[in-house]
Amino acid sequence: QVLLVESGGGLVQPGGSLRLSCAASGFTFSDYYMTWIRQAPGKGLEWVSCISNSGSYIHYADSVRGRFTISRDNAKNSLLLQMNSLRADDTAVYYCARGDWIFQQWGQGTLVSVSS
Amino acid sequence: AIQLTQSPSSLAASVGDRVTITCRASQGISSALAWYQQKPGKTPKVLIYDASTLESGVPSRFSGSGSGTDFTLTISSLQPEDFATYFCQQFNAYPRSFGQGTKLEIK
Repeated sequence: QVLLVESGGGLVQPGGSLRLSCAASGFTFSDYYMTWIRQAPGKGLEWVSCISNSGSYIHYADSVRGRFTISRDNAKNSLLLQMNSLRADDTAVYYCARGDWIFQQWGQGTLVSVSS
Repeated sequence: AIQLTQSPSSLAASVGDRVTITCRASQGISSALAWYQQKPGKTPKVLIYDASTLESGVPSRFSGSGSGTDFTLTISSLQPEDFATYFCQQFNAYPRSFGQGTKLEIK
């Protein structure tokens, strides 16, 4: 079955960096767009970024453009999110999700906390 | 960016009630809208996509309607397991966006 497992979250100071990973299995990773979605504690869902199956097409939310970089390694079935210049309002659980238009499979999420 | 506004933000209802949640888009999105249900500590689950298509395995008491800028999610007869938070999401344009959520609570 489809399995998405995020890692790389943790506590970081404002202005710091983190790199999130999502390991995918149970499907042909290179056939699918992949997306990062985040959810601040007790808040709603925020779409962050997506990347096409080949990596040629990338989109970002305005709130992260210029600070976050999405990428993928199809040989390793891995989705990545490099997060720089982190701010307190980036604190959230970050989910990877399969797809681009609707999100039927989600990972369990990894918590990113930005605080001094 | 397309903004989605859900109403109400919270709603108290009883088992057996008919409930309607509204999602309004800041610009026309055709029928490119999905509805999700999220329970505490769980990831969201797709209920409806293309505004009115029921996801496989979702009970028929859930239905969706609308196109353009105004959409509704209706639960025809609330069951105990339906008390959760509901989100709409548009996939007409980038960046994708979600509504702020509607928390459905037991009266």
